[in-house]
Amino acid sequence: GENVEQHPSTLSVQEGDSAVIKCTYSDSASNYFPWYKQELGKGPQLIIDIRSNVGEKKDQRIAVTLNKTAKHFSLHITETQPEDSAVYFCAASLDTGRRALTFGSGTRLQVQP
Amino acid sequence: ETGVTQTPRHLVMGMTNKKSLKCEQHLGHNAMYWYKQSAKKPLELMFVYSLEERVENNSVPSRFSPECPNSSHLFLHLHTLQPEDSALYLCASSQVRGPYEQYFGPGTRLTVT
Repeated sequence: GENVEQHPSTLSVQEGDSAVIKCTYSDSASNYFPWYKQELGKGPQLIIDIRSNVGEKKDQRIAVTLNKTAKHFSLHITETQPEDSAVYFCAASLDTGRRALTFGSGTRLQVQP
Repeated sequence: ETGVTQTPRHLVMGMTNKKSLKCEQHLGHNAMYWYKQSAKKPLELMFVYSLEERVENNSVPSRFSPECPNSSHLFLHLHTLQPEDSALYLCASSQVRGPYEQYFGPGTRLTVT
């Protein structure tokens, strides 16, 4: 089955700096890669996703890149703000509603004001 | 109510009790999922229901019993749990056929004493 590794486990940045979180996956058949943000006391919230037919996707300060050959994908947050502080999870799956996501172990991001 | 709701938000139960967790989605989806989140395994799939049929059971002990009476509701029946079952139980939903994005509820924090 799929295995997803995520690094780093914790990340501390100054407000305004960029943050990068990296994930690798094992199953070359995976073609759907979402990122979730989880704040304290809440469920994971989908913030961006990418499918294997594109290499990069951007939404305001958030971008995700995908390298299918190397089987890794990354989340980039620019101009970080204190409200970006949360735990971020990457995941991988086949792009079908009958298959569950395999999640990475999470990255705790702390943005220092 | 919007999105995915879960009740109760917090639950404390003894090892001999029987209780149920409830999930309801208001997104018109037809696939639903139970995940377990703990310190040891951040986000671990338990069950997948697609069009009210269980399509995946991730080697979950029989003391956890899911039920999906219709595409909007999902239950997790609990009995004779162990202290190591204490965790955050998250429900999610998605479409079976595109778009595939999974949306999570806020979770039920379960403590087994």
